[in-house]
Amino acid sequence: DAGITQSPRHKVTETGTPVTLRCHQTENHRYMYWYRQDPGHGLRLIHYSYGVKDTDKGEVSDGYSVSRSKTEDFLLTLESATSSQTSVYFCAISAGDTTYEQYFGPGTRLTVT
Amino acid sequence: GENVEQHPSTLSVQEGDSAVIKCTYSDSASNYFPWYKQELGKRPQLIIDIRSNVGEKKDQRIAVTLNKTAKHFSLHITETQPEDSAVYFCAASGEINFVFGPGTRLSVLP
Repeated sequence: DAGITQSPRHKVTETGTPVTLRCHQTENHRYMYWYRQDPGHGLRLIHYSYGVKDTDKGEVSDGYSVSRSKTEDFLLTLESATSSQTSVYFCAISAGDTTYEQYFGPGTRLTVT
Repeated sequence: GENVEQHPSTLSVQEGDSAVIKCTYSDSASNYFPWYKQELGKRPQLIIDIRSNVGEKKDQRIAVTLNKTAKHFSLHITETQPEDSAVYFCAASGEINFVFGPGTRLSVLP
């Protein structure tokens, strides 16, 4: 597997609390992505980054923010978690430019009670 | 924006038979089409991909075909084995961002 780790791997939190998920890569890839995976919906893009401090919204960005202060780290924050954000969250990386392939991290299972 | 449909949602085949999963996309600007395999509790793994300047690509027992005119592409698995049982996702991409299909659960019966 590509050098991608996610932390935590599992988290249970209460409605209204802030949550931050971390994605760390050792590949020095330019592009990083956050997806959520829910039954029947496949993988849906939340936010992505195309460089340090350069981020943009994806298909399902409401309620989420991101930050990338270093090439290797991409953080996803739920400012005030809701039950609808219970999901499995995957980070992915891509070298970009003419290399389109995306490689996924191991995922974080988040439960909001 | 791009929309990707995938059929069937579930597929059961006998071991040794072939399996075909089909995806359609809406944005004619899409030019990269990967397929991912996801086993239960694991991350999606890239198994094969195709770019718009190619009509077919093969890698051992798996192949992907692309029809840009009709905006559809298909995954073909021959001589299926129990370890092929998983959920398969297709995706379509312009340059940076993927739009994924909803997935096909493939079961290979012994």
